[in-house]
Amino acid sequence: AQSVSQHNHHVILSEAASLELGCNYSYGGTVNLFWYVQYPGQHLQLLLKYFSGDPLVKGIKGFEAEFIKSKFSFNLRKPSVQWSDTAEYFCAVIYGNNRLAFGKGNQVVVIP
Amino acid sequence: EPEVTQTPSHQVTQMGQEVILRCVPISNHLYFYWYRQILGQKVEFLVSFYNNEISEKSEIFDDQFSVERPDGSNFTLKIRSTKLEDSAMYFCASRGRSGNTIYFGEGSWLTVV
Repeated sequence: AQSVSQHNHHVILSEAASLELGCNYSYGGTVNLFWYVQYPGQHLQLLLKYFSGDPLVKGIKGFEAEFIKSKFSFNLRKPSVQWSDTAEYFCAVIYGNNRLAFGKGNQVVVIP
Repeated sequence: EPEVTQTPSHQVTQMGQEVILRCVPISNHLYFYWYRQILGQKVEFLVSFYNNEISEKSEIFDDQFSVERPDGSNFTLKIRSTKLEDSAMYFCASRGRSGNTIYFGEGSWLTVV
């Protein structure tokens, strides 16, 4: 069965620190990959997406993600976080051209 | 920017009562979804809807759940007889014909007491 794995569910770091969140998926075929962010009390918002082409994807708010097909990974990175990046981050993958499957999420807390 | 809208934003209901959650997807989108997120847990797929019928549903989407697109703009999720464990944030989402980006509404918080 297709699945999306995110590790280190809780991440606490200081402002200006670098952030990397891991995402691995099990599906071996063509994938569409996403990172969504959910700020406290808000809805899911699209951070960035990968369909094809350059495996290094730039998203909003200084985030980027790298698709490594051989590792079935789509890790999210930000070189220098801000307090406003405190949120929950979800990796997601579309398979079967229909269902979007989510990972369990990473709760990120940035300390001023 | 077009967006998916959901109502109500928060509903408290007694166990056993029927609940209808409403969604207005982005106007030219063709694929519609409901997801839910129980507090502290991951976002879970419930059902997808295309061409006026359910295209896929998860094991969570049992006989107590139904979806409808009654008037060409709204997309509703009905829970016939709510249980305590139905308490969650319910997200509606939609996708257009081209591209695979799924856009989410702000969610409807359902609290079953």
